[in-house]
Amino acid sequence: SQTIHQWPATLVQPVGSPLSLECTVEGTSNPNLYWYRQAAGRGLQLLFYSVGIGQISSEVPQNLSASRPQDRQFILSSKKLLLSDSGFYLCAWSKGGGSYEQYFGPGTRLTVT
Amino acid sequence: GQQLNQSPQSMFIQEGEDVSMNCTSSSIFNTWLWYKQEPGEGPVLLIALYKAGELTSNGRLTAQFGITRKDSFLNISASIPSDVGIYFCAGRGSNSGYALNFGKGTSLLVTP
Repeated sequence: SQTIHQWPATLVQPVGSPLSLECTVEGTSNPNLYWYRQAAGRGLQLLFYSVGIGQISSEVPQNLSASRPQDRQFILSSKKLLLSDSGFYLCAWSKGGGSYEQYFGPGTRLTVT
Repeated sequence: GQQLNQSPQSMFIQEGEDVSMNCTSSSIFNTWLWYKQEPGEGPVLLIALYKAGELTSNGRLTAQFGITRKDSFLNISASIPSDVGIYFCAGRGSNSGYALNFGKGTSLLVTP
């Protein structure tokens, strides 16, 4: 069976510090991978998605970037955090080749102080 | 992406009652998904729908893909306290690629 991991689970960072959140998927090959942000108030905002190694699509221009160095690894980064970057960051995966069912990880709670 | 209109925003019901919620879009969707999220956790996929008119059940949950392809419905029968959470609809249009559009969620509270 497939599992998705995210770490860290929680993070408190000062404004201006760098960020690196990691997501890994087990039990599947060549998945599509996604990063979402969920602010207070519940809406999920798609930030990035990737259909393969080194292939990143950005949905919202912002202070963040994403990379996919390995098939089942997806990383969300920032060089300098802003207060507005606080939120609940969710990674998700779906099978490649036309499957649109996305499966979410447990999330990372980021607080920028 | 396009925002879906999900209603009601919140529901406060007694255990044993049935629940209905819906999601609407101004454009046609090819896929509808329903998720449940509990506090501090990621959303969990409940039901996926791919055809207009499709009715799919998962235990006490039943979801339907609207005939117009612009809406979807989720029903929960005989609610229990563990049904508490936020229920999200998500839809995908033909030009959306792999991106899903999410509703803002329906918060469900169930009292024993």
